[in-house]
Amino acid sequence: GEDVEQSLFLSVREGDSSVINCTYTDSSSTYLYWYKQEPGAGLQLLTYIFSNMDMKQDQRLTVLLNKKDKHLSLRIADTQTGDSAIYFCAETDPRGYSTLTFGKGTMLLVSP
Amino acid sequence: KAGVTQTPRYLIKTRGQQVTLSCSPISGHRSVSWYQQTPGQGLQFLFEYFSETQRNKGNFPGRFSGRQFSNSRSEMNVSTLELGDSALYLCASSLTGEAGELFFGEGSRLTVL
Repeated sequence: GEDVEQSLFLSVREGDSSVINCTYTDSSSTYLYWYKQEPGAGLQLLTYIFSNMDMKQDQRLTVLLNKKDKHLSLRIADTQTGDSAIYFCAETDPRGYSTLTFGKGTMLLVSP
Repeated sequence: KAGVTQTPRYLIKTRGQQVTLSCSPISGHRSVSWYQQTPGQGLQFLFEYFSETQRNKGNFPGRFSGRQFSNSRSEMNVSTLELGDSALYLCASSLTGEAGELFFGEGSRLTVL
């Protein structure tokens, strides 16, 4: 079955770059996603990448996909205290594009 | 453009009761999917609806059901509530459910006492 793994916690200083890593198992995944969740809130779509891409950049966010190793990473440049949140990696499920399998989330703590 | 709207945001029920949660997708979106988020199990897929038809279903008991109306609004229902049903229920919408962007609402937080 599908499984998405993430490290649970990352702590960085304001202004540094943050790199959140994720591994997935379903080689047929078509889309891979990064979502952000702040306390008491829903999931905010940050970015997604199609599986035939290696990299996607969107302002401070860079997504790297290594399909051979089934490894996905999210780099946040110039991390701010407002970036403190839980970040979820997700892959599409063979059952359908709206059926996502999520990792447990990485809590990012940014200190001043 | 309004986002995904879920109501109610918070509710408290007791064991054995039933609950209905509502989700209004982004205007023009026809696919609505539901997820349950708990501290122990994380985010788990419940079901997806497209054009009033259930297209996919997760591994949840039959007490969990849903439907979608002709205006794409969706409801999910949980009958005979158990303590373990306490969770944040998230709704997501996409244009067709076939590719790309999937937008989530703020969720409905259910507490079962």
